[in-house]
Amino acid sequence: GESVGLHLPTLSVQEGDNSIINCAYSNSASDYFIWYKQESGKGPQFIIDIRSNMDKRQGQRVTVLLNKTVKHLSLQIAATQPGDSAVYFCAESYAGYALNFGKGTSLLVTP
Amino acid sequence: GAVVSQHPSRVICKSGTSVKIECRSLDFQATTMFWYRQFPKQSLMLMATSNEGSKATYEQGVEKDKFLINHASLTLSTLTVTSAHPEDSSFYICSASGTGYTGELFFGEGSRLTVL
Repeated sequence: GESVGLHLPTLSVQEGDNSIINCAYSNSASDYFIWYKQESGKGPQFIIDIRSNMDKRQGQRVTVLLNKTVKHLSLQIAATQPGDSAVYFCAESYAGYALNFGKGTSLLVTP
Repeated sequence: GAVVSQHPSRVICKSGTSVKIECRSLDFQATTMFWYRQFPKQSLMLMATSNEGSKATYEQGVEKDKFLINHASLTLSTLTVTSAHPEDSSFYICSASGTGYTGELFFGEGSRLTVL
């Protein structure tokens, strides 16, 4: 069936570098995408979202890029900090239905 | 942002007992709540969708008689794991959307269930 998946299960970056986390989705009808951050033992925390009528959205230190042609989503984190270490999930939905989560990428920021 | 509270955050129970987990929207009315389950180092899997005042809709493979969901008010949904077994041990997370749902969900902090 349709699914959302991530290219990299783990990502290690040095503090201060930029991080890019990628996500591939297969449901071409998906119209809403969200990136979540989850720290150990906690629930997902909203980072940024984007609708299918956009291809880029920026937040504070984060940017989400959406490429509908190849069904690819990415999260860019600028000047990565130790507090950014967590598991990052992309999630997609269609027509307001429940979110379908990708497998997750563990981001480790080293000093 | 909107606040969703789950209780208890951790619970340990004996095999065969039932456990109730509460999910409350503290500062908004949640017309729809979603229950997810997460195993260690895995993603969130949707278990069921509940709308206030109606029966929950369960995802394929989720036993509705084992995972009882009640959404009796616009601020409270409960998940009861009946006759719990060790394989039910997991992290259960609820999320809620308010009226005029636009896609963004607000998540609780999760409840870690350990069945001995």
